[in-house]
Amino acid sequence: SQELEQSPQSLIVQEGKNLTINCTSSKTLYGLYWYKQKYGEGLIFLMMLQKGGEEKSHEKITAKLDEKKQQSSLHITASQPSHAGIYLCGADIWYGNKLVFGAGTILRVKS
Amino acid sequence: SQTIHQWPATLVQPVGSPLSLECTVEGTSNPNLYWYRQAAGRGLQLLFYSVGIGQISSEVPQNLSASRPQDRQFILSSKKLLLSDSGFYLCAWTGRGTGVAFDGYTFGSGTRLTVV
Repeated sequence: SQELEQSPQSLIVQEGKNLTINCTSSKTLYGLYWYKQKYGEGLIFLMMLQKGGEEKSHEKITAKLDEKKQQSSLHITASQPSHAGIYLCGADIWYGNKLVFGAGTILRVKS
Repeated sequence: SQTIHQWPATLVQPVGSPLSLECTVEGTSNPNLYWYRQAAGRGLQLLFYSVGIGQISSEVPQNLSASRPQDRQFILSSKKLLLSDSGFYLCAWTGRGTGVAFDGYTFGSGTRLTVV
């Protein structure tokens, strides 16, 4: 979607390294969602952020939403091969109930 | 608990043939329903969404159409498939909320369509 810019487009990291994926919108985000996808499979829900400044963590993955609710980052600590896949940010941008996505970030983790 | 079913999982269809993909949701009522397409393993493009029976909103003009004949059933169709219709199609649902969809979005397992 043109309304969500996701970076980087792809990322190769050495196992054990940290990494960050960013998602930026020119409009206020009413809800920001992070999903993970293995190629050819459905989406796995990671986290949802709604409030400015909100931060959530699950295992080694942390996501933040900035105070202005226009940018989110996904941070993976000590990456593992199981973290490999496509990471997608999605956002409710029309008063909710309509989810649009960024272009995705392809993550590869080298052992 | 709520579940979403999508079928078939894979489909190979010749150019010019019709298409019908079905998505059903269980364990909820009055869901918002969505069809997305993913090309080349990248971002998802919203194709259609529906907030009620017979109510369909189209996001992108194309060779596809959608219908919602029942509350928890969402169908994606085409009369004549094009090569460019190939991709990974995902159905999703969310519960109704006032403003933000507090329940979040749940996705089906997807249908990989190859048009040959």
